[in-house]
Amino acid sequence: DVKVTQSSRYLVKRTGEKVFLECVQDMDHENMFWYRQDPGLGLRLIYFSYDVKMKEKGDIPEGYSVSREKKERFSLILESASTNQTSMYLCASTAVTQGEKLFFGSGTQLSVL
Amino acid sequence: KNEVEQSPQNLTAQEGEFITINCSYSVGISALHWLQQHPGGGIVSLFMLSSGKKKHGRLIATINIQEKHSSLHITASHPRDSAVYICASTGGSNYKLTFGKGTLLTVNP
Repeated sequence: DVKVTQSSRYLVKRTGEKVFLECVQDMDHENMFWYRQDPGLGLRLIYFSYDVKMKEKGDIPEGYSVSREKKERFSLILESASTNQTSMYLCASTAVTQGEKLFFGSGTQLSVL
Repeated sequence: KNEVEQSPQNLTAQEGEFITINCSYSVGISALHWLQQHPGGGIVSLFMLSSGKKKHGRLIATINIQEKHSSLHITASHPRDSAVYICASTGGSNYKLTFGKGTLLTVNP
């Protein structure tokens, strides 16, 4: 079974804390993505990575950074968490070949108090 | 900039009914995905298609490239089909997707 694993299902943090969200895939995929999902807004791309140490900003990168030191792992970092970053965060991966299906993690519901 | 519109936003059906969810996009694409998300659950990829039609069980997805339109059909709907269905398109080599806002389907027994 292919897998995209996110480290936490639920996370509660305080304003100003540094937050790390981890995502690991076991399919040797080149592309990995971080999205946030909010009611009424749908899925929005924060960052994506197409190779180790390579990254590109998505539609809403402000307040976030990412790290991809190994092919299987893509981390999302909230440098100083704020209440407007309370959201569901979803990691996904896919192979570079056009037409590959997307594989999503089960999501991390982050609450910033 | 590509925009993806889904209709309807909400859909309620009785068990056994035939269901259609529509997706339109504004620019040429290389692939279109249909995704399913159950309440409180993760997202599962149902189909990826670039032309024609695909079928998996009771689910059928079609795409018309000229009209920039795709449909997801569910035959003999069942309460377990209740979920949010999301379409997403991609047109570039970097595989960035543009998502619709989703269709909430409720199938009543």
